[in-house]
Amino acid sequence: DTGVSQDPRHKITKRGQNVTFRCDPISEHNRLYWYRQTLGQGPEFLTYFQNEAQLEKSRLLSDRFSAERPKGSFSTLEIQRTEQGDSAMYLCASSPKPTGTDTQYFGPGTRLTVL
Amino acid sequence: AQTVTQSQPEMSVQEAETVTLSCTYDTSESDYYLFWYKQPPSRQMILVIRQEAYKQQNATENRFSVNFQKAAKSFSLKISDSQLGDAAMYFCAYRSEDFGNEKLTFGTGTRLTIIP
Repeated sequence: DTGVSQDPRHKITKRGQNVTFRCDPISEHNRLYWYRQTLGQGPEFLTYFQNEAQLEKSRLLSDRFSAERPKGSFSTLEIQRTEQGDSAMYLCASSPKPTGTDTQYFGPGTRLTVL
Repeated sequence: AQTVTQSQPEMSVQEAETVTLSCTYDTSESDYYLFWYKQPPSRQMILVIRQEAYKQQNATENRFSVNFQKAAKSFSLKISDSQLGDAAMYFCAYRSEDFGNEKLTFGTGTRLTIIP
């Protein structure tokens, strides 16, 4: 049983560059979530998908951020024109169905450092 | 909007002893779900325990149990017989029962240290 995987695990970039992260959910999980976690804080919700449909976006997700899940399987999160304030851990989670206490299973995260 | 507050940034406990982590939340909803997640150093977050708000009985999972006080909007986690592997950041989280409002709202976390 493979869990949620994220790639890369670490990314260092210069301010102004574009970066893209990938998340592979647990097989057959139709829900996929993106969160951002800064140092000393809990994760903050960014967006989520049901299959390929993006159902909700946080106001934290500025127009420099875009997320896709083109075939309802893996997802990508792109940040354009990165800023130092984008430095954080980007977490992906997936869940099998939308109701009840269905657990969101988290990946190991991608740590982004913007210089 | 819902908020989750964890007022203990750090806690420590002797190995084999019991420790309680506090969490309060604010919501106007009557149906919702509460979770405790554990995030070990440099490792991914895993679910510890969950509670449905409509259930009066407190959830338990082996050495982990909760004290859910709906009227007080309190959701504390008790860890019994603490083990070295319990050392981690613990996050309390809230999720609405509403379909389509599935995001988790997290507190700021409590760092738990286990003293051998």
